[in-house]
Amino acid sequence: QKEVEQDPGPLSVPEGAIVSLNCTYSNSAFQYFMWYRQYSRKGPELLMYTYSSGNKEDGRFTAQVDKSSKYISLFIRDSQPSDSATYLCAMTPEETSGSRLTFGEGTQLTVNP
Amino acid sequence: DAGITQSPRHKVTETGTPVTLRCHQTENHRYMYWYRQDPGHGLRLIHYSYGVKDTDKGEVSDGYSVSRSKTEDFLLTLESATSSQTSVYFCAISGGLAGGPVSEQFFGPGTRLTVL
Repeated sequence: QKEVEQDPGPLSVPEGAIVSLNCTYSNSAFQYFMWYRQYSRKGPELLMYTYSSGNKEDGRFTAQVDKSSKYISLFIRDSQPSDSATYLCAMTPEETSGSRLTFGEGTQLTVNP
Repeated sequence: DAGITQSPRHKVTETGTPVTLRCHQTENHRYMYWYRQDPGHGLRLIHYSYGVKDTDKGEVSDGYSVSRSKTEDFLLTLESATSSQTSVYFCAISGGLAGGPVSEQFFGPGTRLTVL
């Protein structure tokens, strides 16, 4: 049983669609939640960061955390072809500079023009 | 890629041969990590370092060793490569003063390793 579960997709949507990406986790100690975006043949880059439960919005992106359900989501509004990438959720129990992150498998997203 | 380079970027080798991958950073970050990325598994931590000569095992460390003799370099060695070690290997760093979350990890471009 993986600590973090993420549907790998692939997910294909038309340009302008609203995209919902999700992860579930089993370790209740996780407090800090991240979404990384990884373009093809590149390293992952941090996209969104949230602490505990609630929502955080940054432009077209909204990260949502529901600790009671152990469920996190990333919403992309007005999706663009440039959003085509693999999205990985990551989480950690503590916010320190040497924190070990636990990653989901990643969801491959394609936005079609 | 936040001042992180990996070498080589691609390598094909044969079963049983030793392989060393290098990660070099120019950011003076304290922590360095080696991950492998495979379909169905995502990113899995192999080893990490919390300072020069200070390293520890991750979740998939069998068959791998690491060394860090300088802040800027973190080496990953496959003592005797096996086909199951065919993967994409990523180095990451954290612990600098980049202004973002302190737990943020910055990733290198990756090394594609094929073991025949």
